[in-house]
Amino acid sequence: GIQVEQSPPDLILQEGANSTLRCNFSDSVNNLQWFHQNPWGQLINLFYIPSGTKQNGRLSATTVATERYSLLYISSSQTTDSGVYFCAVGEGGGNKLTFGTGTQLKVEL
Amino acid sequence: GAVVSQHPSRVICKSGTSVKIECRSLDFQATTMFWYRQFPKKSLMLMATSNEGSKATYEQGVEKDKFLINHASLTLSTLTVTSAHPEDSSFYICSARVTSGSSEQFFGPGTRLTVL
Repeated sequence: GIQVEQSPPDLILQEGANSTLRCNFSDSVNNLQWFHQNPWGQLINLFYIPSGTKQNGRLSATTVATERYSLLYISSSQTTDSGVYFCAVGEGGGNKLTFGTGTQLKVEL
Repeated sequence: GAVVSQHPSRVICKSGTSVKIECRSLDFQATTMFWYRQFPKKSLMLMATSNEGSKATYEQGVEKDKFLINHASLTLSTLTVTSAHPEDSSFYICSARVTSGSSEQFFGPGTRLTVL
């Protein structure tokens, strides 16, 4: 099956700093989503981005499908950005998602 | 929009009992729902795909007689963990895909199961 790797696995930032999270996948995909999992376990949809670039406030994402990677940019980070960030990809017609390994982000004052 | 709920949020049961978890799409219809399992500090692993009006499709290694899935309507899927054992303790999360349109999935808040 498709492999999805995220980097870095852990990241500690000072409040106000910018960061880039990366998601590499091993095969062609027709779905790619970025999520933030909060401390209570809820997965919050950040972006649905099988290709191209999107922005939402301090967050933006870019997927280069031909090169099999996606990037999530967080600018001016806040303590509330802390948590685990997952990318997940879907392939074929079944719409199943394969989750990446996650990036644990901690934003400190 | 695109809200998914799960009930219960937390359940503790004795070994050997069965537990039912409900997943509902509140403001949209979902032909397809998905059930995931997450161990502490780990990623989500797909257990099965739930299709309205038909049998669920289970991932390799997931016991279909252990994890019973029913998708009786376009807004409700249930996961029943039968004869639960301590190794079934985990965080179970469902998701739903809007019937028409993109393949974006929306996730419920999860159910934490502890089997004593």
